[in-house]
Amino acid sequence: EDKVVQSPLSLVVHEGDTVTLNCSYEVTNFRSLLWYKQEKKAPTFLFMLTSSGIEKKSGRLSSILDKKELSSILNITATQTGDSAIYLCARTSYGKLTFGQGTILTVHP
Amino acid sequence: DAMVIQNPRYQVTQFGKPVTLSCSQTLNHNVMYWYQQKSSQAPKLLFHYYDKDFNNEADTPDNFQSRRPNTSFCFLDIRSPGLGDAAMYLCATSRGEIQETQYFGPGTRLLVL
Repeated sequence: EDKVVQSPLSLVVHEGDTVTLNCSYEVTNFRSLLWYKQEKKAPTFLFMLTSSGIEKKSGRLSSILDKKELSSILNITATQTGDSAIYLCARTSYGKLTFGQGTILTVHP
Repeated sequence: DAMVIQNPRYQVTQFGKPVTLSCSQTLNHNVMYWYQQKSSQAPKLLFHYYDKDFNNEADTPDNFQSRRPNTSFCFLDIRSPGLGDAAMYLCATSRGEIQETQYFGPGTRLLVL
């Protein structure tokens, strides 16, 4: 079965800190890698990455894919308490999403 | 606004009593998915429809069925819910299997008594 592994599993920081979340995947039939943010509800879409080395940015969040290393990182700068959530990465393979176990981010004031 | 809608948001059922969860979308997407998410776990794909073509995951129990009467609606039927079926059920849509960003509904939290 295709595996997606995220690290760390949980992270506690203070407001203003910068965090880096990691995601690694297996290569079989890889199409794209997605990042989602999940609070106490359904996941909300953040980024879709298909090409290696091209950074995607949205405000304080950015993400990049490294196909050589079979990994992706999600960076959040100047964290805020509203960034507290579970961050899920998922790889796609012809319509099927395989999720990692998620990173629980807690941002303290 | 175009969106993915799930009803109800919370559902309580009794052990063994059939239950149906509903998902509708105004995005006109071809693909609709059902996921099960248990506490502290990642969402797990149960099945998906590409238009009318049904695709079941190999490890989805027979207790779970789905119907898609038209493009906009998709239903999840749990024929005989067990205590282990208590979970959040997420519906998602995508334009196609190639255009693979999936957009999720708010979920239905199922409680089995």
